[in-house]
Amino acid sequence: DTEVTQTPKHLVMGMTNKKSLKCEQHMGHRAMYWYKQKAKKPPELMFVYSYEKLSINESVPSRFSPECPNSSLLNLHLHALQPEDSALYLCASSRGNAGEFQETQYFGPGTRLLVL
Amino acid sequence: AQTVTQSQPEMSVQEAETVTLSCTYDTSESDYYLFWYKQPPSRQMILVIRQEAYKQQNATENRFSVNFQKAAKSFSLKISDSQLGDAAMYFCAYGIYNQGGKLIFGQGTELSVKP
Repeated sequence: DTEVTQTPKHLVMGMTNKKSLKCEQHMGHRAMYWYKQKAKKPPELMFVYSYEKLSINESVPSRFSPECPNSSLLNLHLHALQPEDSALYLCASSRGNAGEFQETQYFGPGTRLLVL
Repeated sequence: AQTVTQSQPEMSVQEAETVTLSCTYDTSESDYYLFWYKQPPSRQMILVIRQEAYKQQNATENRFSVNFQKAAKSFSLKISDSQLGDAAMYFCAYGIYNQGGKLIFGQGTELSVKP
C-alpha cells in the first residue's frame, strides 16, 4: 500500500482566515514533505520532516506553519495568505531518514487552495 | 548547482506507438538517483520509474523503460505501446544523498496520446 491521503481536496479562504491542511500515511514512513505546485509547473519543496523533526525549511514565509504531531500525520497551518499562494499543495512521504539517502517519495492527491 | 532539463514542453504520440521523453541533468556528484513521475489531469504525482546512478543496467517497469547514459548525464523515458491513460505531465527528477530528501525537478513534458 503506497497511499498518502490529503484533506481537504479543495479549500477556498480569505486573506484573513486561518485554515489547516492535513496529510496522513500509514506506510510506516519516517520522512514527510510539503510541496507547492502552480499549474503546469514542477512541485517546489517547502518543508521536510524527518522522524517528526523539521529538517528542511526552504525559506517559506511564516504565514505557512508546518506541524508533525506523530510519524503518520503532517499538517500545514495557513494564516494571512496572499492570492499568490493559491496553488496545489502536495504532501509526500518516504521510507527512511531523508537526510541519509534518497528514498522514493510517494505523493498524495493534493489540496487545491484558492485564496481570495 | 544541480539542474534538470526537459527540452520538450509538449509531445504527442499515436495510441499503440512508442514515444521517448528526454531529460538531461547537470551534477558533479557521483551518487544520486533519478526518477520519472507522471501527473495526469487528476493532479496526483505517480512514480513511473527509478534509477540508481551506480547501476549500469537500465531500469524497466512493464511498458516503461529508461535509457540512462551517466557520462552524457542523460535519462530518457521510453513508453512502448502507448495507451490513452498515459496522457499526463511527465517530470524527470534528480535526488542525491545527504540532501535531506530534496528532489530537483525538470519543467515537465506534457504528453498527449491520440486515439
